[in-house]
Amino acid sequence: EVQLVESGGDLVKPGHSLRLSCSGSGFTFPDFGMTWFRQAPGKGLEWIGFIRNNFFRETTEYAASVRGRFTISRDDSKTSVYLQMNRLQTEDSGIYYCARETKSGVADHWGQGTLVTVSS
Amino acid sequence: DIQMTQSPSTLSASVGDRVTITCRASQTIYDWVAWYQQKPGKAPKLLIYKTSNLQGGVPSRFSGSGSATEFTLTISSLQPDDFAIYHCQQYYSYPWTFGQGTKVEVK
Repeated sequence: EVQLVESGGDLVKPGHSLRLSCSGSGFTFPDFGMTWFRQAPGKGLEWIGFIRNNFFRETTEYAASVRGRFTISRDDSKTSVYLQMNRLQTEDSGIYYCARETKSGVADHWGQGTLVTVSS
Repeated sequence: DIQMTQSPSTLSASVGDRVTITCRASQTIYDWVAWYQQKPGKAPKLLIYKTSNLQGGVPSRFSGSGSATEFTLTISSLQPDDFAIYHCQQYYSYPWTFGQGTKVEVK
């Protein structure tokens, strides 16, 4: 069974940093690209970014709203993907989800999410 | 960025009803659209990918259709477990974008 478990969510002050982790199991982790999404309270879903697998040199894509502040990385030996978030803003608050991306590009399995609150 | 406009935002229906949700893209996305179901406090669940392909384990009462810029999700006979929020998403080009969601509520 495919499982994705996020961790690292916390209450942080504006301008501070936070690193989220997502651990995958039940599938061959190195074969898949991984995506991060978020959802502000009571709002819709927002795509944050994506990291390809090693075959595609672990290249990344980012939404304009986070580019230059957020960095996605992965460690296949730990079957994990990470989201480093710097210079956090109040509008970055929400539930952060990681998801596995199929070869056709759709996110077919999602983690349960981890809550990030940015507030002074 | 490609905008996805979903309608209606709220839909009131009864068990057994046929339900249709529409998503319109601001430019052609060919057939690169997915539909997700989300229940309160839970992560989204993939229902349909590439317009009309049913994800494994999803009941056959769910179906998707459309092309280019107009897409629909249909629930042929609404069941109690189907009251939820539904999201469309384009994955034709980055940044991937979502519709604003449709809440299917009890009439």
